[in-house]
Formats: sequence, C-alpha cells, structure tokens
Amino acid sequence: KQEVTQIPAALSVPEGENLVLNCSFTDSAIYNLQWFRQDPGKGLTSLLLIQSSQREQTSGRLNASLDKSSGRSTLYIAASQPGDSATYLCAVRRDSSYKLIFGSGTRLLVRP
Amino acid sequence: DTGVSQDPRHKITKRGQNVTFRCDPISEHNRLYWYRQTLGQGPEFLTYFQNEAQLEKSRLLSDRFSAERPKGSFSTLEIQRTEQGDSAMYLCASSPQGAVHEQYFGPGTRLTVT
Repeated sequence: KQEVTQIPAALSVPEGENLVLNCSFTDSAIYNLQWFRQDPGKGLTSLLLIQSSQREQTSGRLNASLDKSSGRSTLYIAASQPGDSATYLCAVRRDSSYKLIFGSGTRLLVRP
Repeated sequence: DTGVSQDPRHKITKRGQNVTFRCDPISEHNRLYWYRQTLGQGPEFLTYFQNEAQLEKSRLLSDRFSAERPKGSFSTLEIQRTEQGDSAMYLCASSPQGAVHEQYFGPGTRLTVT
C-alpha cells in the first residue's frame, strides 16, 4: 500500500529564506509526482509535476526533485515571500492507477 | 480556458438529507476525478471517470455515494442520507489525454452536515 509522508507538518520562516519541504513515499513504482499549493478554504493549485523518469523540474523560484529509488521528493523554494504562505501538498500516482495519493501537507508561514 | 468549476461552493444540510454536487472539467479533458478532504488532511480519492465510464472507485465510496458522468462532460456526485461524518471539502479534478496526466483541481464544495 502506497503511503505518502510530509515533513515537517508546519514551518515558519522569515521572509527571504530559502527552504526545503520534504515528501517521502513507500512504493517506488510511481508514474509521476505532483506538488500542489492550497490556500485556506480553497482548491489545489498545481505547482510542478515530475515524471518517474525525471530527476527534477523548475518553475520560477520553485525546484522539485525526485529520487525514486529512495522514495523521496523535495520542493525547494528560493527567496521566500509572505505570499508563499500556504499549505504545500505532494501527491504520487502509481503505475497501476490514475488516482493521486496525497500526503497531509506542510503548512508554511513566511513572516514579513 | 476557465478551469475546473464546481457548484455549489458551500452547502449546509441537515443529517439525513440528500445532496448533489456538480463538477465541470476543463474543456476537452477526458478524465475526471473526485476527492474528499477533511480538515488538516490531504485529499482522499473517491472515484475516477474516463469519458463517461467510471473506471475506479475507492472503498470510501459507500453505497450512499454515487457519481455519474453521463455524456463524458460534467459530473455529479450525490450523497444520500447524509451523516455528520460526511462533512468535508469535496474536490473535483480533471486531466487531459496524453502521457503526462497532470491533474487540475477545482475550488471545491464545502459540505457541512448539521
């Protein structure tokens, strides 16, 4: 059974810091991994998708990496801003299914 | 492209009532998904459609839940005889044909059962 874990559950940093969010999964037979952002009471916004054959993806100040063999992904946020405050969720899609399996998220607060 | 839309955005109902939610996917996306999210948790998969065919269902989808996508466009999720434990955010997502299968989510419908 695939399980997804995100550490830390919450993080508070001052503006301008570079930070890393962690995601681990138990079954390496994944098709892809997506990182999402969720603002309170809102839906999910897709940030980055990494295919199983890829090692990383970048979009602006965001960089996501994937190490299938160790069951880990990281989301790197450079030069954090108060507007980055949100919950960040990672989700994996297994080879055998179209559904996404989510972690519980990391709640990020960037202090001005 | 207007994104995935969901209606209503909020629903308050009394225990035992039936409720129905609607999801309109991104135009030409042939795959549609329903998820449920409770406070402080990540979304949990409920069901998946490819065109009009319901291809995967979670054990979470008890016999009180039913989903349809009659013409392969919009979808409805109905909950019969609602219980307080059904209170959650119900999220819909869609993805296009092709190899990537990136899922795009709607704003969700927040259900409160009193």
